[in-house]
Amino acid sequence: ETGVTQSPTHLIKTRGQQVTLRCSSQSGHNTVSWYQQALGQGPQFIFQYYREEENGRGNFPPRFSGLQFPNYSSELNVNALELDDSALYLCASSTGQGISGNTIYFGEGSWLTVV
Amino acid sequence: AQKVTQAQTEISVVEKEDVTLDCVYETRDTTYYLFWYKQPPSGELVFLIRRNSFDEQNEISGRYSWNFQKSTSSFNFTITASQVVDSAVYFCALGNYGGSQGNLIFGKGTKLSVKP
Repeated sequence: ETGVTQSPTHLIKTRGQQVTLRCSSQSGHNTVSWYQQALGQGPQFIFQYYREEENGRGNFPPRFSGLQFPNYSSELNVNALELDDSALYLCASSTGQGISGNTIYFGEGSWLTVV
Repeated sequence: AQKVTQAQTEISVVEKEDVTLDCVYETRDTTYYLFWYKQPPSGELVFLIRRNSFDEQNEISGRYSWNFQKSTSSFNFTITASQVVDSAVYFCALGNYGGSQGNLIFGKGTKLSVKP
């Protein structure tokens, strides 16, 4: 039990639509990161938020955006969905900013299918 | 560039066999972290171990053991006396030491099937 909860578990969207995925972390986990995991691949870093501000981003276009809230919840928003956005989206949280001294806990993910 | 390579895509063993999952990494950093995660079909990544680059001692936890060799940039994972419940996809990951960004770089994973 990691204490990281994601919703929805599964969803299907149509190309061009927008989607919001949600994550709830443990109290005190000030850092949240989002990863995209395509089928048969390892997770790829999308971005990280620390105390409600984005402080790191991977190689993803601006249509991938996020929010982090004071109550340790966060959102991943994807606009103008493309077929290649079909993937498992994982939320990860930890207490500190970097990796030093922190264990990173992952949720079970949200499976997004774009048709 | 930083990179993690897990050359074994799939491994199939019979219960009670020992199995080693290979992980080779590339980084220009002198200090870094290495991780192993287990991903069952449910999708959640289960943390197994974190090792920092200046600690090359091998580690054993029950049936699990890890062999870190900085000279060959490898961080291999061995399961002794495998069990059906060990069936999952296993990921090796590399992380930056210090700094503000806590992102991990994952390999493509090794799917382990343990048959009764």
